[in-house]
Amino acid sequence: DTVLTQSPALAVSPGERVSISCRASEGVNSYMHWYQQKPGQQPKLLIYKASNLASGVPARFSGSGSGTDFTLTIDPVEADDTATYFCQQSWNDPRTFGGGTKLELK
Amino acid sequence: EVQLVETGGGLVQPGRSLKLSCVASGFTFNNYWMSWTRQAPGKGLEWVASITNSGGSTYYPDSVKGRFTISRDNAQNTLYLQMNSLRSEDTATYYCTREDWGRFAYWGQGTLVTVSS
Repeated sequence: DTVLTQSPALAVSPGERVSISCRASEGVNSYMHWYQQKPGQQPKLLIYKASNLASGVPARFSGSGSGTDFTLTIDPVEADDTATYFCQQSWNDPRTFGGGTKLELK
Repeated sequence: EVQLVETGGGLVQPGRSLKLSCVASGFTFNNYWMSWTRQAPGKGLEWVASITNSGGSTYYPDSVKGRFTISRDNAQNTLYLQMNSLRSEDTATYYCTREDWGRFAYWGQGTLVTVSS
């Protein structure tokens, strides 16, 4: 299975820029997607196919990368962005998720 | 507005069965693949099953293959997950998701399945 590795946690101040990384154990082309999950809620799609903004998602969110290294960027960060962010690949079978990065605001 | 509403979760003993349902609305159900994804308490996400828009093909990870069966009724806009031989490690919130070309574009609120004696 394709293992996706994310840093467990990050802390930033409102107004700053934050980058959340996701590294795949093997190439996934551009088939990397990003989700936001707030406490007690279901995940929400933010970015699909590495760099495409999902419907209704603010332009503060952006994605980049291809192959094995991907980044989700939030600029500027707002208080409402406190959440856990997951990456997911759909290039290799089975579909797999990263362990999640918990974003906390200082 | 896309809505996915799961039902059927609850407490079940190890080795027993449970069937989840998901009623979809706000989109043309038979145009889309559908999936189930789960999240153990305090843990990450795990894809559980997918089904093509016609229901003709299904896909599973090894962790549930042979125990879980995904199906759909396009006339009723309903997705199902039959779970047999349940184990404690199947304890999780199960989310119904609309799958758009490999990404999980929409998620239901989830239904909690607890496997315990």
